[in-house]
Amino acid sequence: GDSVTQMEGPVTLSEEAFLTINCTYTATGYPSLFWYVQYPGEGLQLLLKATKADDKGSNKGFEATYRKETTSFHLEKGSVQVSDSAVYFCALSLLGNQFYFGTGTSLTVIP
Amino acid sequence: KAGVTQTPRYLIKTRGQQVTLSCSPISGHRSVSWYQQTPGQGLQFLFEYFSETQRNKGNFPGRFSGRQFSNSRSEMNVSTLELGDSALYLCASSLASSRTLRSNSPLHFGNGTRLTVT
Repeated sequence: GDSVTQMEGPVTLSEEAFLTINCTYTATGYPSLFWYVQYPGEGLQLLLKATKADDKGSNKGFEATYRKETTSFHLEKGSVQVSDSAVYFCALSLLGNQFYFGTGTSLTVIP
Repeated sequence: KAGVTQTPRYLIKTRGQQVTLSCSPISGHRSVSWYQQTPGQGLQFLFEYFSETQRNKGNFPGRFSGRQFSNSRSEMNVSTLELGDSALYLCASSLASSRTLRSNSPLHFGNGTRLTVT
């Protein structure tokens, strides 16, 4: 079935370190791909998206490229800040409006 | 523009009872989805409504039901509550309109209703 697998956490990084959170997907068609973020005490919010192969989504210094050949959508940021501490979810959508989410990766950035 | 509003924020119920959760979507959004979030299972899709009709349904028992009103507001009902129903229930609205095409429209989530079943 359709699913998303993302890197297990928690992840702890020092400020200004490079971040990668791996995400791979299994889908019967050609999904749209998303990264959502949940900051402490807040609701889930969209971070970035990509709707077709080789598209790159970007926002707030985060980037992810839709790789059809490796069925991946890894999240990267060159220099993390303490304010990036949150839980990150990879997700895909296929027909209609049904989304499949990964289990989430908790990131803590220490000064 | 107001975001997605869910009420109540917290609920405590006992086994066997039923509960109703409410969701008001972003103005203009006609699609409303519900998700259950637990530490063990993550985010799991419950169902989606569009123009008062259920379009998609996840793999949950019939105790979980929902409806959508003409103003796009939605309610979710869980009957005969079980301990395992304790979770954060999230509502999300979207501009997505087509059932037959994949959605490029992101979901906009509310802050959720935390349900505890004792």
